[in-house]
Amino acid sequence: EAQVTQNPRYLITVTGKKLTVTCSQNMNHEYMSWYRQDPGLGLRQIYYSMNVEVTDKGDVPEGYKVSRKEKRNFPLILESPSPNQTSLYFCASSSLVSSYNEQFFGPGTRLTVL
Amino acid sequence: SQQGEEDPQALSIQEGENATMNCSYKTSINNLQWYRQNSGRGLVHLILIRSNEREKHSGRLRVTLDTSKKSSSLLITASRAADTASYFCATRRSGTASKLTFGTGTRLQVTL
Repeated sequence: EAQVTQNPRYLITVTGKKLTVTCSQNMNHEYMSWYRQDPGLGLRQIYYSMNVEVTDKGDVPEGYKVSRKEKRNFPLILESPSPNQTSLYFCASSSLVSSYNEQFFGPGTRLTVL
Repeated sequence: SQQGEEDPQALSIQEGENATMNCSYKTSINNLQWYRQNSGRGLVHLILIRSNEREKHSGRLRVTLDTSKKSSSLLITASRAADTASYFCATRRSGTASKLTFGTGTRLQVTL
């Protein structure tokens, strides 16, 4: 089954404790992206990647890091989480070859930073 | 920055009625997409309309695009309780490979 998976689904942590949210897709997509969703603000892009070893900042990259060492994986790293990073996070992927360009979303990771 | 702004923010209708949601955007686009999100879950792609298209249908969905007004509408006909969800428009700007910019969404409630 074609899908995007994220882990963990729920995470409660404390300020300053490094964490990683994993994202994996099995559709051989070139493009992967991380979003955060906050009430009243919709989805805002954090980082995206056009292919292996190619990453770029989205609209709200501060406090986050990403890496793209393999095509299928795109982890999101919070080196020193703060309470304002409490949010619902989504990973998404899409094909750059297909002109249809729809994005496939993971189930989300609900992060709480105390 | 928010490219898409949906209107209304919330909509409550009865089963069987039609639901119309609107989206406005600011820059030239390559395509506009609509997504659905059930509470707290991942977004699911519904339909895509390209900048050179004016209308598109998929089942009970009808999407229109007016590039001169930089606006789109999503019509769901004969709504069902299962259509209760949030709906987002997303635009792919001209000249960008795949980046989508999402609006803030319309929350649709369909009651029996």
